[in-house]
Amino acid sequence: GNSVTQMEGPVTLSEEAFLTINCTYTATGYPSLFWYVQYPGEGLQLLLKATKADDKGSNKGFEATYRKETTSFHLEKGSVQVSDSAVYFCALSDGSSNTGKLIFGQGTTLQVKP
Amino acid sequence: DADVTQTPRNRITKTGKRIMLECSQTKGHDRMYWYRQDPGLGLRLIYYSFDVKDINKGEISDGYSVSRQAQAKFSLSLESAIPNQTALYFCATSAPGDGRGVDTQYFGPGTRLTVL
Repeated sequence: GNSVTQMEGPVTLSEEAFLTINCTYTATGYPSLFWYVQYPGEGLQLLLKATKADDKGSNKGFEATYRKETTSFHLEKGSVQVSDSAVYFCALSDGSSNTGKLIFGQGTTLQVKP
Repeated sequence: DADVTQTPRNRITKTGKRIMLECSQTKGHDRMYWYRQDPGLGLRLIYYSFDVKDINKGEISDGYSVSRQAQAKFSLSLESAIPNQTALYFCATSAPGDGRGVDTQYFGPGTRLTVL
């Protein structure tokens, strides 16, 4: 079945460091891929998404490219801020079923220190 | 005001008690979802509903039931709570995307449930 695997956390970085959070997936068909972010005490909110191979999603300085050949959707940011400290979830949606259901990775906690 | 609200935000209960978690939305979406979040496991889908008359089980529905009282309201019940149902519960809504199932889901703030 479909699944998503993220790198283990927590990831601890200093402010202005480069961020990569790895995400790989297993899916049949042509899934859409998402990154959601959960700030402390809040629900998840969409950070970015990509709907087909080679698409790049971007938002708030974060980017991720849908790589079908490596089944990956790694999240990157060139210079992190303390305010980026949160839990990041990679997810996929099975586009062929049109159910809108999401399958989430386990989440990666990012801690950014001043 | 928040688009997706959940009540209560925190609840402590005892084994065997019946618990209801409520979700309301003002986004006008037809699709609603209940997830639970456990450390190291991400979010897992409990139930989802595409309209008032369409309710479907997710991957971990055992021990749970739901009710879609109206387009805007979707409740999750634990008929007889047990300690391993201690978790953070999220409600979400979405509208059908571009025909490829590319829905963006909008989440409530969560309910932290502890079963003693």
